[in-house]
Amino acid sequence: DTEVTQTPKHLVMGMTNKKSLKCEQHMGHRAMYWYKQKAKKPPELMFVYSYEKLSINESVPSRFSPECPNSSLLNLHLHALQPEDSALYLCASSQGPSSYEQYFGPGTRLTVT
Amino acid sequence: SQQGEEDPQALSIQEGENATMNCSYKTSINNLQWYRQNSGRGLVHLILIRSNEREKHSGRLRVTLDTSKKSSSLLITASRAADTASYFCATPLTGGGNKLTFGTGTQLKVEL
Repeated sequence: DTEVTQTPKHLVMGMTNKKSLKCEQHMGHRAMYWYKQKAKKPPELMFVYSYEKLSINESVPSRFSPECPNSSLLNLHLHALQPEDSALYLCASSQGPSSYEQYFGPGTRLTVT
Repeated sequence: SQQGEEDPQALSIQEGENATMNCSYKTSINNLQWYRQNSGRGLVHLILIRSNEREKHSGRLRVTLDTSKKSSSLLITASRAADTASYFCATPLTGGGNKLTFGTGTQLKVEL
């Protein structure tokens, strides 16, 4: 199984809502990532988890809260988002923090109203 | 910013033609990767070239790397409509483990 899955595919939320994005992989990878991608722009790294511990936080606002409950699962909890947070949120995984090839999920298209 | 620049920003060709896109980056690297992204979808890893390699092939893909010029190129030969996508180069941040920085991307359209 070389797939990274993400749910939901689409999400529309109001600025006062709380929602969560979910990412799962069963490749035994020990590093997982969240990226944010705006239209016609490259992905921008948000967070990196290595061996289930947060290793990189790219100065992301606290309204985004990542969680790694186990080695296969990665969540991104969303609260009090702004319309400018509307974007495609991509999850990725790699064998380890020193492994270079990353496997991406299909993304969650988030719209904040 | 370490972000790479890619050119052209957009490229439109006919099926069967070759497509070449270029990537320039700013700092020393130990490898450079190319990814493809179909519209609004996740990225797919295409190829990785290490800093001690000058050229690498994978199927219809040919990647070159010139570390003295801090540049790389991706050639897709005999293009197909299914190759229509955005292509990004990516470099790991030196000393940053697997923290990837993506280039600005080239949007390729292959017309029938």
